[in-house]
Amino acid sequence: SAVISQKPSRDICQRGTSLTIQCQVDSQVTMMFWYRQQPGQSLTLIATANQGSEATYESGFVIDKFPISRPNLTFSTLTVSNMSPEDSSIYLCSVEGGTGYEQYFGPGTRLTVT
Amino acid sequence: GEDVEQSLFLSVREGDSSVINCTYTDSSSTYLYWYKQEPGAGLQLLTYIFSNMDMKQDQRLTVLLNKKDKHLSLRIADTQTGDSAIYFCAETHFGSGNTGKLIFGQGTTLQVKP
Repeated sequence: SAVISQKPSRDICQRGTSLTIQCQVDSQVTMMFWYRQQPGQSLTLIATANQGSEATYESGFVIDKFPISRPNLTFSTLTVSNMSPEDSSIYLCSVEGGTGYEQYFGPGTRLTVT
Repeated sequence: GEDVEQSLFLSVREGDSSVINCTYTDSSSTYLYWYKQEPGAGLQLLTYIFSNMDMKQDQRLTVLLNKKDKHLSLRIADTQTGDSAIYFCAETHFGSGNTGKLIFGQGTTLQVKP
């Protein structure tokens, strides 16, 4: 399975600021995914990021709010912009496994917006 | 639309078997997954099953799939206190327009009593 790390592991941010979350994988992967897990809730896909192309956003998520970069096959960033308390969540990146059917998750970034 | 439902809570005694159930609505689902999330941690992929299978066994874990009823279950034999966690069911289908997006259930909290 892929080894995925995320930075920061947690942060407390002020309303109106932005935070960039990094996701690093120990092997080259085509697809990377960003999910949000709101407190006590399930996971919801924010966007899918392919290297060298624009991220594809799910309904309810927009690029201005959640810009994503995917500069190479092992790294991606998600920025949460102009934060409000409603953005307090765990943000997780995930990648496809070797077979293409497994999906592995990073440890998550726990964000609290005050 | 796509929907995945799980019961929210299950309590068992150590040594008993646990059965966590999940229903889904997408008849084109091709892969179904079980993830485990321990407190403060990311998601750990436990197992997955292809939709043309009825059963998959992996050590203490048994997955049963009833495709006709769109029902998936995870049985944990000889449940241990270390199995206490939230278990998420997820489904996806691979094909035109879909890149492996996972649809998650709400998660079932498994409490194992000593």
